[in-house]
Amino acid sequence: DGGITQSPKYLFRKEGQNVTLSCEQNLNHDAMYWYRQDPGQGLRLIYYSQIVNDFQKGDIAEGYSVSREKKESFPLTVTSAQKNPTAFYLCASSMRGGWRPQHFGDGTRLSIL
Amino acid sequence: SQQGEEDPQALSIQEGENATMNCSYKTSINNLQWYRQNSGRGLVHLILIRSNEREKHSGRLRVTLDTSKKSSSLLITASRAADTASYFCATDPLTQGGSEKLVFGKGTKLTVNP
Repeated sequence: DGGITQSPKYLFRKEGQNVTLSCEQNLNHDAMYWYRQDPGQGLRLIYYSQIVNDFQKGDIAEGYSVSREKKESFPLTVTSAQKNPTAFYLCASSMRGGWRPQHFGDGTRLSIL
Repeated sequence: SQQGEEDPQALSIQEGENATMNCSYKTSINNLQWYRQNSGRGLVHLILIRSNEREKHSGRLRVTLDTSKKSSSLLITASRAADTASYFCATDPLTQGGSEKLVFGKGTKLTVNP
């Protein structure tokens, strides 16, 4: 079955540590997105990529980094510069074009130790 | 930047009743989409309505769009306990060259009591 897989489901970060969240899709989608969701809040866009080897900052990119070396993969690194990383992180993919419906993974919940 | 604002923030109804959620947005759009999120899960796309459409149906879902008021509503008829979830609107802003991203609202949390 085609889908989008995020791992791990839960992740803990120590002070000063970088952590990487994985996102893989087998839907043959060109576009991929990373969102942050805080309790009771909507989704805020961190980074997005419309094509391999290219990505753009979203609304809250500071303290995060991404890469897009393969069409199927769009990992997100939460760096030590992100001082408030505790949140639910969602990855999504779509056919190219912002109006396309997005398919979401089941998220990674990141907490601070 | 969050363009969509859902109303109400939370809604509690009995099974069998209808649930109506509203979304208001600020700038002109190409289309508007509604998504559903079960607790602790990712979002699932429900329905897309284009700016030149006024109403759209999908099963028990009915979506309306009023571009003059910059608002949309999602109606779930004959609700079931399994409809309990958060519902988000997302807009595709009308921009020169085409938008590459959706802008999500903060969502309405719907509880359907058995």
